[in-house]
Amino acid sequence: ETGVTQTPRHLVMGMTNKKSLKCEQHLGHNAMYWYKQSAKKPLELMFVYNFKEQTENNSVPSRFSPECPNSSHLFLHLHTLQPEDSALYLCASSQDGGRGDNSPLHFGNGTRLTVT
Amino acid sequence: AQSVAQPEDQVNVAEGNPLTVKCTYSVSGNPYLFWYVQYPNRGLQFLLKYITGDNLVKGSYGFEAEFNKSQTSFHLKKPSALVSDSALYFCAVIRDRGGYQKVTFGTGTKLQVIP
Repeated sequence: ETGVTQTPRHLVMGMTNKKSLKCEQHLGHNAMYWYKQSAKKPLELMFVYNFKEQTENNSVPSRFSPECPNSSHLFLHLHTLQPEDSALYLCASSQDGGRGDNSPLHFGNGTRLTVT
Repeated sequence: AQSVAQPEDQVNVAEGNPLTVKCTYSVSGNPYLFWYVQYPNRGLQFLLKYITGDNLVKGSYGFEAEFNKSQTSFHLKKPSALVSDSALYFCAVIRDRGGYQKVTFGTGTKLQVIP
């Protein structure tokens, strides 16, 4: 049982839809992350939040919009996506997200997104 | 810029045989090195890490990895493979005090353990 829960597990959306991915962590961590996983590519870090503040936006298109209302919850709002955005979106958390943080990342099981 | 190379897309090994999954890295400064495993329809799970100290690191499920600074490698090993070890394995590196904003993952190696 993972300490990081992602919903929904699967999502199919049209290019004109608006949807949101949700992530919740029950580990008391201070840092949360969104990653994109595509086949045959390294994991791509999208966003980092540390103590609710966004500390990294890895040149992600504006059609992806993150929200972190508190240290336990993270959202990824999606609008006017493209078919190439189809991928597995993984949420993760870590102890403090600071520069010396080498604690393991804890991942959720991901949301499999298909854009039609 | 830092990078991680996992030269093999897939490794096949017979059950009971030793297994090795290779990883080499490039980073300025001292590296923090990690191995994660991903089972089908799951997120990544932490296996082990090297921060400092003993070059041989032991982790979950009987896995271990050896840090070799001169060869800039951090290969994952297990003395006797199980069918249940079949999964996707990822190596990752962070520059010392770079934080997770600067983590780099490899492309993954699929391990297939044959009964």
